[in-house]
Amino acid sequence: KAGVTQTPRYLIKTRGQQVTLSCSPISGHRSVSWYQQTPGQGLQFLFEYFSETQRNKGNFPGRFSGRQFSNSRSEMNVSTLELGDSALYLCASSVADRNTEAFFGQGTRLTVV
Amino acid sequence: GENVEQHPSTLSVQEGDSAVIKCTYSDSASNYFPWYKQELGKGPQLIIDIRSNVGEKKDQRIAVTLNKTAKHFSLHITETQPEDSAVYFCAASEKTSYDKVIFGPGTSLSVIP
Repeated sequence: KAGVTQTPRYLIKTRGQQVTLSCSPISGHRSVSWYQQTPGQGLQFLFEYFSETQRNKGNFPGRFSGRQFSNSRSEMNVSTLELGDSALYLCASSVADRNTEAFFGQGTRLTVV
Repeated sequence: GENVEQHPSTLSVQEGDSAVIKCTYSDSASNYFPWYKQELGKGPQLIIDIRSNVGEKKDQRIAVTLNKTAKHFSLHITETQPEDSAVYFCAASEKTSYDKVIFGPGTSLSVIP
C-alpha cells in the first residue's frame, strides 16, 4: 500500500511569488491535514479537509489556502510568499474517524529567497 | 485552544538506559494523545497513542502514561538503542467539532552507543 505522497520534495521561490503544493493520501483515506514545520515553531496545524470541505483551520493568515478534490488528493497554496514562509510543509492523511492514526508524507521543503 | 508543552527539549542517554519525555496539555476535554517519532529527512511516524479512558499503554520497549487530573502524559522508552535517536513529538487532540491534533515542540533524543 503506497504511503502519503507529497510533491515536489523541494522548492525554491522568490518573495512575492505564489506556490502550490500537492498531497496524495493513502488510498481509502478521506481526511487530509496540512502542517508547517519550522525549527522555531515546531509543527503548526494549517488546516484539515474531508470530502472536499475544510473542517478545521489553524491560525495562519489568509495567504495560506487549500482545497481537496473528489479523489481526496489535496493541494495547498501560499500567495505573496514571505521569507518567513520557508519551512517544511507536511501533509497527513487518515481514515477520518475521530482520533485515529495520521500518516505523514515526507514533506515539501519550501525555501523563499 | 489547546496548548501542549514538552520537556526536555533535548535528551542524551547511554545505550541501554531509559528515556522519559513529559508533556502537559491545557484542554481538559482532550481525549486522544499520540506520540510521533521523526527521523532526519522523514515525516513524523506514530509510535504509540493513548485515549483518555486508559491510564497506561505499553508496546514492547515503549510505554505511555496519562494523568488526566494533572493533564500530564509521558513517554517511556526502555533499553534504548542507537536507532531510537530521533525527534519525538507528543500531541493532544483539540476538542472542536472535528478533532485536530496539536503538537508539542519536540524532544531531540540522542542515544550514545
